[in-house]
Amino acid sequence: AQSVAQPEDQVNVAEGNPLTVKCTYSVSGNPYLFWYVQYPNRGLQFLLKYITGDNLVKGSYGFEAEFNKSQTSFHLKKPSALVSDSALYFCAVREYSSASKIIFGSGTRLSIRP
Amino acid sequence: DARVTQTPRHKVTEMGQEVTMRCQPILGHNTVFWYRQTMMQGLELLAYFRNRAPLDDSGMPKDRFSAEMPDATLATLKIQPSEPRDSAVYFCASGLTRGQGSDEQFFGPGTRLTVL
Repeated sequence: AQSVAQPEDQVNVAEGNPLTVKCTYSVSGNPYLFWYVQYPNRGLQFLLKYITGDNLVKGSYGFEAEFNKSQTSFHLKKPSALVSDSALYFCAVREYSSASKIIFGSGTRLSIRP
Repeated sequence: DARVTQTPRHKVTEMGQEVTMRCQPILGHNTVFWYRQTMMQGLELLAYFRNRAPLDDSGMPKDRFSAEMPDATLATLKIQPSEPRDSAVYFCASGLTRGQGSDEQFFGPGTRLTVL
């Protein structure tokens, strides 16, 4: 069975500093991996995805994520955080061979202080 | 620009009443998902459809919840009878699944349900 874990409920970063939001996954085959962001009182918005190819994936708003197969991780990163990046971030995984059911992590609240 | 719409945005009802939530997926999308989000449980997948056919509704309490797609432009989620523990934000999402389904989902703004 597939699963995804976000070990941190909250991440606090000063504006201008690099940020990392962690995600690890478990699937029996090859994974599709996604990051979504949720702003207050809004639905989730797609940020980026890994399907195949380069391990470093670039997405919206200057975010990127690195796929690490040996560590089964897909951490979200940004070189320089903005206060406007403060939101709830969800990692998600789907197995390559299954139907389109995605499993979402529990979410990590990112707080950027000025 | 294309987006998923959901109605109503807010619903307050009394325990025992029927609640119907509606979703209009993005035109051309062939997969529709219903999620429930609460502080305690996080984001839970309730059901999803591909080409209007239900593929998985294992996340949904069968005795009171039902999900349907009467046509390609409308998905509904009904709760009858509603209970206070159903209070949550219900999201609809749609996507275009091609091949192994690597495409992202587009979420609606949600319906905030409060059952008194």
